[in-house]
Amino acid sequence: DVKVTQSSRYLVKRTGEKVFLECVQDMDHENMFWYRQDPGLGLRLIYFSYDVKMKEKGDIPEGYSVSREKKERFSLILESASTNQTSMYLCASREQSWSSGNTIYFGEGSWLTVV
Amino acid sequence: AQKITQTQPGMFVQEKEAVTLDCTYDTSDPSYGLFWYKQPSSGEMIFLIYQGSYDQQNATEGRYSLNFQKARKSANLVISASQLGDSAMYFCAMREDDGANNLFFGTGTRLTVIP
Repeated sequence: DVKVTQSSRYLVKRTGEKVFLECVQDMDHENMFWYRQDPGLGLRLIYFSYDVKMKEKGDIPEGYSVSREKKERFSLILESASTNQTSMYLCASREQSWSSGNTIYFGEGSWLTVV
Repeated sequence: AQKITQTQPGMFVQEKEAVTLDCTYDTSDPSYGLFWYKQPSSGEMIFLIYQGSYDQQNATEGRYSLNFQKARKSANLVISASQLGDSAMYFCAMREDDGANNLFFGTGTRLTVIP
């Protein structure tokens, strides 16, 4: 089975702190994603990466950055956390090709509260 | 315009009954794929079912079936013989075959199964 692991399930951080959310996948997937989930808004894409050191902005990249130094690891960075970044963050990965209906696999989510 | 629309914020169903969760989509791409995910209170996103735009038959996976009406651009999820464990958030999602890496998600429907 595909395993996407997010290092922290629950975090509480102070406004202005630098926050790292780590994600590791074990299926050698080329593509990795960071989503943010808020009630009534569904999942919104923050950033994705299609290869090591490659990244592209999603729909809501402001206030976030990412790092992909190794294929299996994709990190989301909040340079200076703000209260409006309190949310649930989901990491995901998938194979390069969309063929055969292969899907995105998600981690369990990280609940971040910024106070 | 929203790519995926889920108009039912919440639904209730009696245990052992069937329930339909609505999803409509918007795309001009002739080739696309539609997905349904389940998200229990634990937060993980569980892939349920996939329908390709060129698939002739409606997809089925156990108690889940996808009622795909291409002309109406709808992809409703039908859960038969509901169980208490089906209580969760359900998200409809779409990928387009224009080279994009992303899935577009709806805002979700919270299903509650009543004993």
